[in-house]
Amino acid sequence: DIQMTQSPSSLSASVGDRVSITCRASQSVSNFLNWYQLKPGKVPKLLIFAASSLQIGVSSRFSGSGSGTDFTLTISSLQPEDFATYYCQQSYGNPYTFGQGTNLEIK
Amino acid sequence: QVQLQESGPGLVKPSETLSLTCSVSGGSITGYYWSWIRQPPGKGLEWIGYTFYIGSTNYNPSLKSRLNISMDTSKNQFSLELSSVTAADTAVYYCARRYCIGVNCFVDYWGRGTLVTVSS
Repeated sequence: DIQMTQSPSSLSASVGDRVSITCRASQSVSNFLNWYQLKPGKVPKLLIFAASSLQIGVSSRFSGSGSGTDFTLTISSLQPEDFATYYCQQSYGNPYTFGQGTNLEIK
Repeated sequence: QVQLQESGPGLVKPSETLSLTCSVSGGSITGYYWSWIRQPPGKGLEWIGYTFYIGSTNYNPSLKSRLNISMDTSKNQFSLELSSVTAADTAVYYCARRYCIGVNCFVDYWGRGTLVTVSS
């Protein structure tokens, strides 16, 4: 299986901050990399697909970059509703695999 | 707007079969791939597998011997059966739609998730 490693595992930040989360694959996944936002009791949300494509309806303060093995999710100016857990996922190999998650907390 | 809702027992005994159903509203299940994903307590997400409306399936090899994912187009539902469960199968189970643009695939719609506990 392709291993996905996210860093940091947790992150404290303030409203208005710019934050970045990185995801590294154990082998190249080309641009087959997606980012999701999960909140307790809520329906998970697709943010970015194909490494850098913004899902329809998602705020433009979210952006994704990278290819091969190294990827980044950036939130340009944190809003209160952005405090959540974020996961990367590769859809290159079978089975699809996820990073361990990054818990973004309010400072 | 497509909506998914998981249903099924919240408690399953060890060695028995875990069965969940996902009801899809706001769109037909025909023509799409339908998936299951799970998250054990305190852990990350695990891809379980998916099925296509013509009956083809793709399963996580680690679960394949115990797994069956099927669809009922007449009810606009799809289902998960996981046999011989143990405590390690305790998790929040999500149903979801796998969608592809070209060769890039992702999950664009999710259910809210349902907790299934394996315990005697």
